[in-house]
Amino acid sequence: DVKVTQSSRYLVKRTGEKVFLECVQDMDHENMFWYRQDPGLGLRLIYFSYDVKMKEKGDIPEGYSVSREKKERFSLILESASTNQTSMYLCASSLRAGKGYTFGSGTRLTVV
Amino acid sequence: AQSVTQLDSQVPVFEEAPVELRCNYSSSVSVYLFWYVQYPNQGLQLLLKYLSGSTLVESINGFEAEFNKSQTSFHLRKPSVHISDTAEYFCAVILSGGYNKLIFGAGTRLAVHP
Repeated sequence: DVKVTQSSRYLVKRTGEKVFLECVQDMDHENMFWYRQDPGLGLRLIYFSYDVKMKEKGDIPEGYSVSREKKERFSLILESASTNQTSMYLCASSLRAGKGYTFGSGTRLTVV
Repeated sequence: AQSVTQLDSQVPVFEEAPVELRCNYSSSVSVYLFWYVQYPNQGLQLLLKYLSGSTLVESINGFEAEFNKSQTSFHLRKPSVHISDTAEYFCAVILSGGYNKLIFGAGTRLAVHP
């Protein structure tokens, strides 16, 4: 089975800090995605990548950036964390559309 | 723009009763359709999917969903729920031919009571 690993389950950061969320997948998937999950809003796409060094904005990219230097790793960066970025962050990967996604366990980020 | 609407944010139901979780989508192109489930304090798991062919798809734990193209719906049903089905359920679509982006609905929280 494909495994998607997010490096931290829980994080607490201070306002203004630069935050890195790491995601690694082990099945050579081209496509990787970052979502945030908030109650009543479902999952909203922040950024995605369909190849190494390639990235595309999702629906809510403001305040975030990403890095994909290697195929297996996709990092989400909060340049200057703010309290409204407190959320659950989910990483996913997929081979192609018909296969659906495999999700990581999520990182619950609290910005204080 | 494409969107996914889950018509009920919460669905309370008694154990062994039938349940339907409703999902509608808007898209002018072909789609792939998915239902994901998230149990408390866990990540998302794929429940079932529709890609093509038979419009009725089933999961291994008794759920089924029917793709209705004319009504642009993909409702999830189970004839008899268990306490263990308590979870949040997300409907999602991927537009065929695109960047493989998965677009989610807001989720439906299913609460099964004894």
